[in-house]
Amino acid sequence: AQKVTQAQTEISVVEKEDVTLDCVYETRDTTYYLFWYKQPPSGELVFLIRRNSFDEQNEISGRYSWNFQKSTSSFNFTITASQVVDSAVYFCALLKTGANNLFFGTGTRLTVIP
Amino acid sequence: NAGVTQTPKFRILKIGQSMTLQCTQDMNHNYMYWYRQDPGMGLKLIYYSVGAGITDKGEVPNGYNVSRSTTEDFPLRLELAAPSQTSVYFCASSYKGPPSGADTQYFGPGTRLTVL
Repeated sequence: AQKVTQAQTEISVVEKEDVTLDCVYETRDTTYYLFWYKQPPSGELVFLIRRNSFDEQNEISGRYSWNFQKSTSSFNFTITASQVVDSAVYFCALLKTGANNLFFGTGTRLTVIP
Repeated sequence: NAGVTQTPKFRILKIGQSMTLQCTQDMNHNYMYWYRQDPGMGLKLIYYSVGAGITDKGEVPNGYNVSRSTTEDFPLRLELAAPSQTSVYFCASSYKGPPSGADTQYFGPGTRLTVL
């Protein structure tokens, strides 16, 4: 069975602080994909990143970075120098290879205070 | 490209009424999906389609029906609406899926449905 846990329900930071959103997953499969999506207050879901289970390289995209560690089944997301526009709910999701169902965590609501 | 579009954005239904949520994508994606998002929760898959004429159930299909007559459109039908179907509904599409491989699912803006 697949499971994604985002233990941080809500986080508040002051603008320009760094923040890390945690994601822990469970799967018995050896090949799978991990995703992060952003849901701003307007409600749409915005794709941020996809990572397959064979690629443990960390990735950086501007102020965003992702740390994938298979040994701890974690795929954490860090925002550097946070901005008010980063305020959103962030979802981590898991897709088993060969399946159609994205398993979502319950999300972390990030509030960046100006 | 408009991407994935959904109509309506909001709807209020009375118990027992029926309605169709519309979803259209212009990215020529083969795979399309319907998810629901309940308050404070992640999304759960209702139905998906791997191509025109082919659909299958997801995790929570009861109370819903789908059809896929074209590559672009994937409507979701609610028959006999119930309060438990109050949710936000998201349509998504991807270029390819299993068994050829996984691809990123791109989501529409959602439809907020309330059943009273």
